[in-house]
Amino acid sequence: ILNVEQSPQSLHVQEGDSTNFTCSFPSSNFYALHWYRWETAKSPEALFVMTLNGDEKKKGRISATLNTKEGYSYLYIKGSQPEDSATYLCAPGGSARQLTFGSGTQLTVLP
Amino acid sequence: ETGVTQSPTHLIKTRGQQVTLRCSSQSGHNTVSWYQQALGQGPQFIFQYYREEENGRGNFPPRFSGLQFPNYSSELNVNALELDDSALYLCASSSGQGRTYQETQYFGPGTRLLVL
Repeated sequence: ILNVEQSPQSLHVQEGDSTNFTCSFPSSNFYALHWYRWETAKSPEALFVMTLNGDEKKKGRISATLNTKEGYSYLYIKGSQPEDSATYLCAPGGSARQLTFGSGTQLTVLP
Repeated sequence: ETGVTQSPTHLIKTRGQQVTLRCSSQSGHNTVSWYQQALGQGPQFIFQYYREEENGRGNFPPRFSGLQFPNYSSELNVNALELDDSALYLCASSSGQGRTYQETQYFGPGTRLLVL
């Protein structure tokens, strides 16, 4: 069972602030890293799938980087908006055909 | 394109009972994965079905079982319910092209199960 850690557990930011959070995972036997956004009362929504060391992906104001050698990924949100309020989950995907999710970072953007 | 749907949305059962949860996969997807999310934790993998066969299993006891049908919809069955089974149960479908670790999984809204 992979040990996936996300930090911080929760954070509050003001509208317009930029923010970032971390996902740490074992660097051995790495296959892929998934990021999801989960808004309250909705389904988790896929943001990125990252596979290569040094990968950087972007979707609007959200971007993510990947370091497979040291086992971490950062998710950045530029100019946070209230609609960005959600729980952000990361999940390494492995050959065992399962995603192992972290506990998530709960982001609240205050207007 | 229809997304992943789950039924029921909420369910209350008593300890020792059995429950069946249902999932309809997204159009064109042949793989369904089930996850359990307990309060304060991330979703935990229960098992995956690919073309009607179990294709991987997490650390859950045998009283958690599943089925996948020819139309790729799926059921999760839990026997002898325990209080700790109270959780949100999510299913996710994917296209099953082979590189499972790279495939995006598309999640349903979940079924909230309460065991009293």
